[in-house]
Amino acid sequence: QKEVEQNSGPLSVPEGAIASLNCTYSDRVSQSFFWYRQYSGKSPELIMSIYSNGDKEDGRFTAQLNKASQYVSLLIRDSQPSDSATYLCAASNDYKLSFGAGTTVTVRA
Amino acid sequence: EAQVTQNPRYLITVTGKKLTVTCSQNMNHEYMSWYRQDPGLGLRQIYYSMNVEVTDKGDVPEGYKVSRKEKRNFPLILESPSPNQTSLYFCASGVGGGRYEQYFGPGTRLTVT
Repeated sequence: QKEVEQNSGPLSVPEGAIASLNCTYSDRVSQSFFWYRQYSGKSPELIMSIYSNGDKEDGRFTAQLNKASQYVSLLIRDSQPSDSATYLCAASNDYKLSFGAGTTVTVRA
Repeated sequence: EAQVTQNPRYLITVTGKKLTVTCSQNMNHEYMSWYRQDPGLGLRQIYYSMNVEVTDKGDVPEGYKVSRKEKRNFPLILESPSPNQTSLYFCASGVGGGRYEQYFGPGTRLTVT
């Protein structure tokens, strides 16, 4: 079992809709959680970090963390064509970082 | 401009020929790390460094070496590359000290024939 699992894609949403991405992790001692966006041929770009249970909002992005369920999610509101990318979930146990395989999102204009 | 740089960006080499991929950051970050990205396997951590002269293995360290003699540099060394090390490699850095956000370099595409 991979340490970090993401819902399989690809995910296609119409422009203006909400894209919902899910992630589970297996290591209970994981402390920090991140969402990265990776455009095709580019490097991962950090878009959200979340350390404690609950919701964290940043612009059109909301990350949710539930440590009891070992679950992290990312909502993208008012999706734009520029949001079309692969989204990587990552969990950190101190300095070791484990990534999910990614979910590819396509926003249809 | 705050950035992580890697060189070379593209490299084609032959089996067994030692190579070094350089990584440098100008943000005074304590933490640096190397990853490889393969289709279907995602990003996997090779080695990381918490500070100068302090390094540790990630999930896939076999066949790689690293050193951290200066805070800004963290080269990745392949002493005897093999075709299964053909991959896309990323270097990343972070503030450290309990903050684990990492910022990635542009990547190095390595092909070993």
